[in-house]
Amino acid sequence: GENVEQHPSTLSVQEGDSAVIKCTYSDSASNYFPWYKQELGKRPQLIIDIRSNVGEKKDQRIAVTLNKTAKHFSLHITETQPEDSAVYFCAASITFGNEKLTFGTGTRLTIIP
Amino acid sequence: DTAVSQTPKYLVTQMGNDKSIKCEQNLGHDTMYWYKQDSKKFLKIMFSYNNKELIINETVPNRFSPKSPDKAHLNLHINSLELGDSAVYFCASSPSGGSYEQYFGPGTRLTVT
Repeated sequence: GENVEQHPSTLSVQEGDSAVIKCTYSDSASNYFPWYKQELGKRPQLIIDIRSNVGEKKDQRIAVTLNKTAKHFSLHITETQPEDSAVYFCAASITFGNEKLTFGTGTRLTIIP
Repeated sequence: DTAVSQTPKYLVTQMGNDKSIKCEQNLGHDTMYWYKQDSKKFLKIMFSYNNKELIINETVPNRFSPKSPDKAHLNLHINSLELGDSAVYFCASSPSGGSYEQYFGPGTRLTVT
């Protein structure tokens, strides 16, 4: 089955700096890669996703890049703000397979004011 | 206008008891899920139902039994609770399968003493 590894497990950055979280996946058939943000005590919420037919997607201060050959994808947050502090999860799934979403182990991002 | 709701929010019970968690979604989605999030924040899928039919059943003890009376509801019954069952259980729904945004419920924090 699919295996998703996520690094780093914790990340602290100065407010205003950029943060990068990286994930690798094992199943070359995976073609959908979402990122979820979970604030303390809250539910996970989708912040951005990418499908395998594109290499990069941006939404304001967040962007995701995908390298299908290397089987890795990354989340980039620019101009970080205190409200970006949360746990971020990457995930992968295969459309038209059993479509199970396999999550990475999470990255706790702390923005230092 | 709650999208995905769960009850109860907190559940404290003793080892050996049987308990149920209920989930309802008003988004008209076809697919619903149960996830377990342990103390290390790992998110693991347990079950997935599509239109009341079980489609994903991960390696979960048979003390856990999901039931979907209709496509808007997915309940989780747990028999003979053990200390290791303590976790936050999230219900989620999506339009169809794992390759679309999943909407999570608020979570049920289960504590087994």
